[in-house]
Amino acid sequence: EAQVTQNPRYLITVTGKKLTVTCSQNMNHEYMSWYRQDPGLGLRQIYYSMNVEVTDKGDVPEGYKVSRKEKRNFPLILESPSPNQTSLYFCASSLRLDPRDTQYFGPGTRLTVL
Amino acid sequence: EDKVVQSPLSLVVHEGDTVTLNCSYEVTNFRSLLWYKQEKKAPTFLFMLTSSGIEKKSGRLSSILDKKELFSILNITATQTGDSAVYLCAVNNQGGKLIFGQGTELSVKP
Repeated sequence: EAQVTQNPRYLITVTGKKLTVTCSQNMNHEYMSWYRQDPGLGLRQIYYSMNVEVTDKGDVPEGYKVSRKEKRNFPLILESPSPNQTSLYFCASSLRLDPRDTQYFGPGTRLTVL
Repeated sequence: EDKVVQSPLSLVVHEGDTVTLNCSYEVTNFRSLLWYKQEKKAPTFLFMLTSSGIEKKSGRLSSILDKKELFSILNITATQTGDSAVYLCAVNNQGGKLIFGQGTELSVKP
């Protein structure tokens, strides 16, 4: 089954403790992206990747890192999480970013930073 | 600064009504506009539009883009309670960046 998976789905952590949220897709997609969703602010793009080893900043990249060492995986790294990074995070992928390509979202990761 | 604005922010209608959701944008190097539906979980893709005046249709949903006036509309005819959701509009620029609007929360009452 074609899908985007994220782990963990829920995480409660403390300020400053490094964490990684994994994202994996099994569709051989080139384009992958991370978003955070906050009430009243909608979805905001954190980072995106057009292909392996190609990443770029979205609207809200501060406090986050990503890597794209292989096509299927696009982990989101919070080196020193802070309470303002408490949010719902989505990973998404598409074959490219093309009118013919559907973009698929993962199930979301709800992160709480105390 | 790139921005995408949706209106209205929320809407309550009755089953059978037709609704029109609006999305206007100011984005440098526009490439495409996307519509998503979100029902308390991950967004699901509805449409991607790149050309003005060409309507995209899927069942009771349709959408059209006006690149001159910088907006798009999403129409839902004969609404059903299952259409209740947040509808998200996003614009993609040439570099691959996606900018989302705040969303329109649609509630369809029986």
